[in-house]
Amino acid sequence: KAGVTQTPRYLIKTRGQQVTLSCSPISGHRSVSWYQQTPGQGLQFLFEYFSETQRNKGNFPGRFSGRQFSNSRSEMNVSTLELGDSALYLCASSLDGENTEAFFGQGTRLTVV
Amino acid sequence: AQSVTQPDIHITVSEGASLELRCNYSYGATPYLFWYVQSPGQGLQLLLKYFSGDTLVQGIKGFEAEFKRSQSSFNLRKPSVHWSDAAEYFCAVAQYSSASKIIFGSGTRLSIRP
Repeated sequence: KAGVTQTPRYLIKTRGQQVTLSCSPISGHRSVSWYQQTPGQGLQFLFEYFSETQRNKGNFPGRFSGRQFSNSRSEMNVSTLELGDSALYLCASSLDGENTEAFFGQGTRLTVV
Repeated sequence: AQSVTQPDIHITVSEGASLELRCNYSYGATPYLFWYVQSPGQGLQLLLKYFSGDTLVQGIKGFEAEFKRSQSSFNLRKPSVHWSDAAEYFCAVAQYSSASKIIFGSGTRLSIRP
């Protein structure tokens, strides 16, 4: 079956702009989580969406937001980009409930200049 | 505070040699414990996970990990490494087995000496 698909794979934006990243989960998965990976801070949880509702949230400023559609596809948006937002953004999907596994996409590499 | 410590930033082993990657964690409740692998330019792949039961867990690609509650450790091992094992390895903890709110360690980069 198809894996988690993230688009675009690479993105270059200018400081102050906004950006939207997309994640299509594995078919049947209703939970989608987003992570930011940077050399300095490592992998950090941004938020999780389940059935179109944000269920969990990490410690990121309000400039980082997301949403989930009825087909479980998710988008995350970063407004007023800062240089420090340059990172690999990873999306992961999973079934809900116990004893499930998280499947990660290949990520979107965002560079802010 | 919840945290994961991987004390080794970079390890180099010879092909065919054994491997052990260290991981210590701090977590209030009984967590799920994971090991993930990330190849350059790729996402994360789950190697194995533990929540309860037998403290020696078998994973994919010949990896295993041992949970030691008294030491709050979850070390990853492989008896004989292959050149294709070169990658970054992340230990992680979470309240759930799904993708939500996973706390990752800083990673250990594994290089393989021919």
